[in-house]
Amino acid sequence: KAGVTQTPRYLIKTRGQQVTLSCSPISGHRSVSWYQQTPGQGLQFLFEYFSETQRNKGNFPGRFSGRQFSNSRSEMNVSTLELGDSALYLCASSPGVSSGSGEQYFGPGTRLTVT
Amino acid sequence: AQRVTQPEKLLSVFKGAPVELKCNYSYSGSPELFWYVQYSRQRLQLLLRHISRESIKGFTADLNKGETSFHLKKPFAQEEDSAMYYCALFTGGGNKLTFGTGTQLKVEL
Repeated sequence: KAGVTQTPRYLIKTRGQQVTLSCSPISGHRSVSWYQQTPGQGLQFLFEYFSETQRNKGNFPGRFSGRQFSNSRSEMNVSTLELGDSALYLCASSPGVSSGSGEQYFGPGTRLTVT
Repeated sequence: AQRVTQPEKLLSVFKGAPVELKCNYSYSGSPELFWYVQYSRQRLQLLLRHISRESIKGFTADLNKGETSFHLKKPFAQEEDSAMYYCALFTGGGNKLTFGTGTQLKVEL
């Protein structure tokens, strides 16, 4: 099976702009989680979607949002970009049993740089 | 709130020496603990989970609820073990993992 894919791999944006990142999970996986990775804060959970519904959300401002489509592909959006949003954004998928699972398969990430 | 602590940012050992990567957690419920690893220029991947009690690539980890620890151990380090290791806590309610800050393991010849 093909692994988790993320597009684009690299992005450079200016403060105040918005950005959309895309994630395609492993075929058959219904859960998609998003994480932000920075040198200072490490890996932080953003949100998780299962069958097009957000099940859990981390402690991020409302500028960070996401959605999931019927084919399980997911997008996350960051509006009004700030310099501090520069990070590696990781997507992870899992089969998505109703109780959730810590066994997740990660994509290569999208490196976002805000200038 | 849940929390995962990895006290060492960098651990340097010689090839053939034993390895222990420390992980402590804070969670009031019943935890599920995982170790994830990221090799150079590769994506983050699952190494092992406490419920399976298995050995992967010679690594083992035992959940100690009394000490709230989940240390990763290997008796003899190999050069290919050099990587970034993350301890992670799963608490249910959607697929949220709480990660530690990671430990960079460097195995020297």
